[in-house]
Amino acid sequence: AQRVTQPEKLLSVFKGAPVELKCNYSYSGSPELFWYVQYSRQRLQLLLRHISRESIKGFTADLNKGETSFHLKKPFAQEEDSAMYYCASSGGSYIPTFGRGTSLIVHP
Amino acid sequence: EADIYQTPRYLVIGTGKKITLECSQTMGHDKMYWYQQDPGMELHLIHYSYGVNSTEKGDLSSESTVSRIRTEHFPLTLESARPSHTSQYLCASSEGEIGPLHFGNGTRLTVT
Repeated sequence: AQRVTQPEKLLSVFKGAPVELKCNYSYSGSPELFWYVQYSRQRLQLLLRHISRESIKGFTADLNKGETSFHLKKPFAQEEDSAMYYCASSGGSYIPTFGRGTSLIVHP
Repeated sequence: EADIYQTPRYLVIGTGKKITLECSQTMGHDKMYWYQQDPGMELHLIHYSYGVNSTEKGDLSSESTVSRIRTEHFPLTLESARPSHTSQYLCASSEGEIGPLHFGNGTRLTVT
């Protein structure tokens, strides 16, 4: 079974600092990779996906097949970025597997 | 408005009771999912469905059952609730082979 690892349970930064949320996956093929975000008192929603190669709310994520990673980055964190972030991978079965999530707190 | 709806939002129930968590979507998505999520932990797949009359167990079946008689409706039933079932249950849907998931607001279940 494929696994998604998010090593940091909590990431705390100051406003304006760079942010990198780590995600590693175990699938040996070419998975579809996603980042989902859950803001306080809101439902879980898609932030971005690998295939679209978009930048959403200033966030980007690059697939590194050699390191089997899909880290989420933003050069300058904003207070409104504070949320729970989940990395997900759809391997051969196309059923998404989620990591445990990283709580990002951006201090003013 | 096209969306995915879960009811109830909160449920407190005694051990041994039978409960059904409702999930409906109006987006016409073929695939639907149930995930269980404990605070600060990953989402565990309980059941999923590729379409009408198609249901599969996930990694964590949790002694629950699902049905998919209509495209838009995917209820989850616990025949006999136990305290270990206390958790948040998230319903989601998607379209296409690798479409992103659209989540409902979740049902927070407490079994006393």
